[in-house]
Amino acid sequence: KAGVTQTPRYLIKTRGQQVTLSCSPISGHRSVSWYQQTPGQGLQFLFEYFSETQRNKGNFPGRFSGRQFSNSRSEMNVSTLELGDSALYLCASSLSGSGTQPYEQYFGPGTRLTVT
Amino acid sequence: GNSVTQMEGPVTLSEEAFLTINCTYTATGYPSLFWYVQYPGEGLQLLLKATKADDKGSNKGFEATYRKETTSFHLEKGSVQVSDSAVYFCAAGSSGSARQLTFGSGTQLTVLP
Repeated sequence: KAGVTQTPRYLIKTRGQQVTLSCSPISGHRSVSWYQQTPGQGLQFLFEYFSETQRNKGNFPGRFSGRQFSNSRSEMNVSTLELGDSALYLCASSLSGSGTQPYEQYFGPGTRLTVT
Repeated sequence: GNSVTQMEGPVTLSEEAFLTINCTYTATGYPSLFWYVQYPGEGLQLLLKATKADDKGSNKGFEATYRKETTSFHLEKGSVQVSDSAVYFCAAGSSGSARQLTFGSGTQLTVLP
């Protein structure tokens, strides 16, 4: 089974621009989560989608948004980029949609975003 | 919400040494607990998990036991190899329907030959 794929792997943008990152989950996984990883803040949860609905959101400004398509693929968008948005953005997929079932998340390789 | 406190690094060991990386959590309810490993330039790989008290997760010689009484999930390996050099993250999963992991700060492990 193919793992989680993320495109692009590397991206360089200028302050004020916007960017869209893409994530394809493991086949059959319907939950997709996004995380931001920086040296200063570590790994922080952005949001989670399940069945095309945002189910949970972390503490990030509204410039960060996402969506999920009917095939479970997900995109996240960052508008009006700031220097502090430079980070590794990780996508993770999970099989279970039920709150009563234990689960684990499987991560993609990440998209390295550099804002100049 | 959950919080995870992880042993500060970096940790440097000689090959075949014993490894312990401490992890404690604060949570409402009983979260699932995970250890992930990150190699340079890569995403996170699930190393092991435990879903309830006294569960022991194990994989590739690594072990961790879910201790409810001490709210801990320490990672151990009896004999480390150079190839184990990586960053290790402890994580707690949210209870309820939403999928959210709360991570510790990560511990950089370097194993010298």
